Amino acid sequence: KAGVTQTPRYLIKTRGQQVTLSCSPISGHRSVSWYQQTPGQGLQFLFEYFSETQRNKGNFPGRFSGRQFSNSRSEMNVSTLELGDSALYLCASSRGTSDNNEQFFGPGTRLTVL
Amino acid sequence: GENVEQHPSTLSVQEGDSAVIKCTYSDSASNYFPWYKQELGKGPQLIIDIRSNVGEKKDQRIAVTLNKTAKHFSLHITETQPEDSAVYFCAASRGYSSASKIIFGSGTRLSIRP
Repeated sequence: KAGVTQTPRYLIKTRGQQVTLSCSPISGHRSVSWYQQTPGQGLQFLFEYFSETQRNKGNFPGRFSGRQFSNSRSEMNVSTLELGDSALYLCASSRGTSDNNEQFFGPGTRLTVL
Repeated sequence: GENVEQHPSTLSVQEGDSAVIKCTYSDSASNYFPWYKQELGKGPQLIIDIRSNVGEKKDQRIAVTLNKTAKHFSLHITETQPEDSAVYFCAASRGYSSASKIIFGSGTRLSIRP
């Protein structure tokens, strides 16, 4: 069974630009969550999607947005990039049911903002 | 807000010895406690988890203990091997149904000395 895949793996952007990251969940998983990982702040929850609907959102500015498609694939977008947005962005998929929410993480996209 | 404290931040042990990582959580309603291992260049991977109705769980060389009264839980790795070198994250969650409820610790970098 293929794991969670994320593209691209590495990205370099400059301040003010925007970026779109992509995540393909494990087959059969309907929930996709996004996290930002930095050395200083650790793993922070960005948002969670289930069946194309945003179920929850973390405490991040409106520059961070996402969506989920009917095939459960998800994208997240960051507009007007700031230096502080440099981080590893992780996507995780799960079945999203009330008794099974084990998160399966992808390898992440390393974003560097110059 | 709710938080999870994790200690130590770095840990170096001789191959074959045991390693212990400790976490404390603040939300008394937390009832699910997963542990993740993150190797270089990869996303976190669930290695063991425990629910609040259980005090201890073992899986080969890995065990987790939970003290709900003290709001402490710990990861124990016995007979450590070089492949155990990684960053380990504890987490606490209120419920099993939403990624937004999972609070992560700050991580422990475990190094196994040959």
